[in-house]
Amino acid sequence: KAGVTQTPRYLIKTRGQQVTLSCSPISGHRSVSWYQQTPGQGLQFLFEYFSETQRNKGNFPGRFSGRQFSNSRSEMNVSTLELGDSALYLCASSLGGMYWDEQFFGPGTRLTVL
Amino acid sequence: GENVEQHPSTLSVQEGDSAVIKCTYSDSASNYFPWYKQELGKGPQLIIDIRSNVGEKKDQRIAVTLNKTAKHFSLHITETQPEDSAVYFCAASLPAEKLTFGTGTRLTIIP
Repeated sequence: KAGVTQTPRYLIKTRGQQVTLSCSPISGHRSVSWYQQTPGQGLQFLFEYFSETQRNKGNFPGRFSGRQFSNSRSEMNVSTLELGDSALYLCASSLGGMYWDEQFFGPGTRLTVL
Repeated sequence: GENVEQHPSTLSVQEGDSAVIKCTYSDSASNYFPWYKQELGKGPQLIIDIRSNVGEKKDQRIAVTLNKTAKHFSLHITETQPEDSAVYFCAASLPAEKLTFGTGTRLTIIP
């Protein structure tokens, strides 16, 4: 079974631009969660989508948004990029039926904002 | 919301010795506690988890203990091997809510 895939793996943007990251979950998984990982703040939850609906949301500004498609693939968008948005963005998929379902993480997208 | 503290931030142990990583959580309603291992260049991978109706769980060389009264839980790795070197994260979750992660422990196994 293929794992969680994220594209692109690396991205360099400049301040003020916007970016879209993509996540393809494991086949059959209906939940996709997004996390931001930085050395200073660790792993922070952005949002979770289940069956195309946002089910949980973390404490990030409205510049961070996401969506999920009918095939469970998910995208997250960051508008008006700031230097502090430089991070590893991880997505994780799970079956989604129960909150204790194992989350399987992708390798992440490394975003650098210059 | 939930807050999770993790100690130590770095840990070095001799190969074959045991390693212990400790976490505390703030919300007594949290009832799901997973541990993740993250190797360089990869996403975190679940290695063991425990729910609040259980005090201890073992899987070969790895064990997790939970003390609900004190609101802390620990990861124990016995007979450590070089491939155990990685960053380990604990996490806690309230029912039907997001995972809140600890800040991570970089474990180094010295051959």
